[in-house]
Amino acid sequence: AQSVTQLDSHVSVSEGTPVLLRCNYSSSYSPSLFWYVQHPNKGLQLLLKYTSAATLVKGINGFEAEFKKSETSFHLTKPSAHMSDAAEYFCVVIRMDSSYKLIFGSGTRLLVRP
Amino acid sequence: DVKVTQSSRYLVKRTGEKVFLECVQDMDHENMFWYRQDPGLGLRLIYFSYDVKMKEKGDIPEGYSVSREKKERFSLILESASTNQTSMYLCASSRQITDTQYFGPGTRLTVL
Repeated sequence: AQSVTQLDSHVSVSEGTPVLLRCNYSSSYSPSLFWYVQHPNKGLQLLLKYTSAATLVKGINGFEAEFKKSETSFHLTKPSAHMSDAAEYFCVVIRMDSSYKLIFGSGTRLLVRP
Repeated sequence: DVKVTQSSRYLVKRTGEKVFLECVQDMDHENMFWYRQDPGLGLRLIYFSYDVKMKEKGDIPEGYSVSREKKERFSLILESASTNQTSMYLCASSRQITDTQYFGPGTRLTVL
């Protein structure tokens, strides 16, 4: 079975402080992993993706994520939150072996306080 | 710049009506996807297509069908709309099946 768990439905940080959005996955195979962001009333946009190259992946807007196979995690981080980072973030797993399987996490809403 | 467009941003239909949601991409992508997005559930894959006239069921295909007659266009059809199909519907496309997906702005469908 394969699943994606975003451990926090809401995360609140102060502007200028670090951001950590957690994602754990379960997969019997090497997956492709993504983080997407959805700003209010806007479409989903790719932040970054992992496809079995470097385990530390850098994305847009200063975000990065580290693939940790031993922990089956792909947590999203940013050193310093900006007001414009307030949005909903989705962790996504794609597996392609005998069949195609794509799973979105349930999302984490990030609130940035001034 | 990549572009995925959806025919309507907002749609209101009555129970039992046949509903068509249209999606067009201009990136010559092989793969197209339809999702619905509901609060607390993330996005759930309804159907996807990896080529013209080819389709595969996603996780929640019941009550929906799709059509892909041309590479750039992927339609989602609700044969007989029901209130539990009130949702935000998102279309996406990608070049490779495991690659980055590009999303349209979404259609918020309300079934009364």
